[in-house]
Amino acid sequence: KAGVTQTPRYLIKTRGQQVTLSCSPISGHRSVSWYQQTPGQGLQFLFEYFSETQRNKGNFPGRFSGRQFSNSRSEMNVSTLELGDSALYLCASSLDPTSPGELFFGEGSRLTVL
Amino acid sequence: QQPVQSPQAVILREGEDAVINCSSSKALYSVHWYRQKHGEAPVFLMILLKGGEQKGHEKISASFNEKKQQSSLYLTASQLSYSGTYFCGTEFRSGGGADGLTFGKGTHLIIQP
Repeated sequence: KAGVTQTPRYLIKTRGQQVTLSCSPISGHRSVSWYQQTPGQGLQFLFEYFSETQRNKGNFPGRFSGRQFSNSRSEMNVSTLELGDSALYLCASSLDPTSPGELFFGEGSRLTVL
Repeated sequence: QQPVQSPQAVILREGEDAVINCSSSKALYSVHWYRQKHGEAPVFLMILLKGGEQKGHEKISASFNEKKQQSSLYLTASQLSYSGTYFCGTEFRSGGGADGLTFGKGTHLIIQP
């Protein structure tokens, strides 16, 4: 069965622009989480969605937002991009966020802000 | 609160053992371990739950000390394929719901032939 799909895989933006990243979870998975990965900081939690509702949110500014659609696909948006937003953005899906279980990660969207 | 992993990096010869530690300052509900190879997505290894239940990988073991809020991942007789960055993810529970996984900064493991 198909894994987690993230698009685009690579993108370059300039400061002040905005970006939208997309994530299609594994079929049947209703929970989607987003993480920012940068060298030295590891994986930092952005937010988690389940059944179109944001369940948890990490410690990121309001410029970072997300949503989930009825088919469980999710998007995250970063507005007014800053140089420090350059990172690999990973999406992960799981069956049920209320029960500890395996996260299935996509290969990520690598954002470069110039 | 981000869990603290140690060591930050370790280099081993094939066949040697490694221990990676993960500690939290907050009471844990579960600890998750993932491995990420360069340029690839993180891959699930193991979950350790409060109360001792453990689910995961056959050749890698781990422990979860609830009193100390610590977990250790044990890689025995390491193979070249074990190289990568290991992340522990900690989960807390408040109000009956999960708070999402918080990952440490990772431990870089290099296995040399």
